[in-house]
Amino acid sequence: DQQVKQNSPSLSVQEGRISILNCDYTNSMFDYFLWYKKYPAEGPTFLISISSIKDKNEDGRFTVFLNKSAKHLSLHIVPSQPGDSAVYFCAATPYGQNFVFGPGTRLSVLP
Amino acid sequence: DGGITQSPKYLFRKEGQNVTLSCEQNLNHDAMYWYRQDPGQGLRLIYYSQIVNDFQKGDIAEGYSVSREKKESFPLTVTSAQKNPTAFYLCASSIRFGRNTEAFFGQGTRLTVV
Repeated sequence: DQQVKQNSPSLSVQEGRISILNCDYTNSMFDYFLWYKKYPAEGPTFLISISSIKDKNEDGRFTVFLNKSAKHLSLHIVPSQPGDSAVYFCAATPYGQNFVFGPGTRLSVLP
Repeated sequence: DGGITQSPKYLFRKEGQNVTLSCEQNLNHDAMYWYRQDPGQGLRLIYYSQIVNDFQKGDIAEGYSVSREKKESFPLTVTSAQKNPTAFYLCASSIRFGRNTEAFFGQGTRLTVV
């Protein structure tokens, strides 16, 4: 059973608009959440993280929102750029345990 | 430059042969990990090491082996017992294990069985 779910396999957005990638989790013990970006044939690149004691973390064009009661987090990219086209993985970890990755969402930013 | 280096980038193996994938990091990280990615799928954990001279099985350890004799090195051996070894293999490290930390990844090794 997947503990970290990314229910949208793909997403297309116009350049300059907002991209919203969603992630749901089932394990209430998760207390740290991360987003990674991956290009084909490369390793994932860390983007941004958030601790469970926060509900928002921002870094430049990237903002992650955490809704613990709904067990949901989202990554907002504003404005979206063609170079943002990649697969985005959501990951989570309970304290003292391993990372659990979602299946990924492929984002296409159209010029 | 600090980082994680995986080699080789592409590797071909004949059926029945063992092959070892290299992973080296100069980030002084305690924890290291091996993941496997298959087309259209997420990352599945093969093995991890919280600290030098220690390692634990992940979700899909069968047919794989690792060692962690040095802090900076975590090689993965894909044995002939691994039934479907063709995949993209990713090594990662984190400054510590399991406590509000990020994993940083190498560039990956694509293994193809011919």
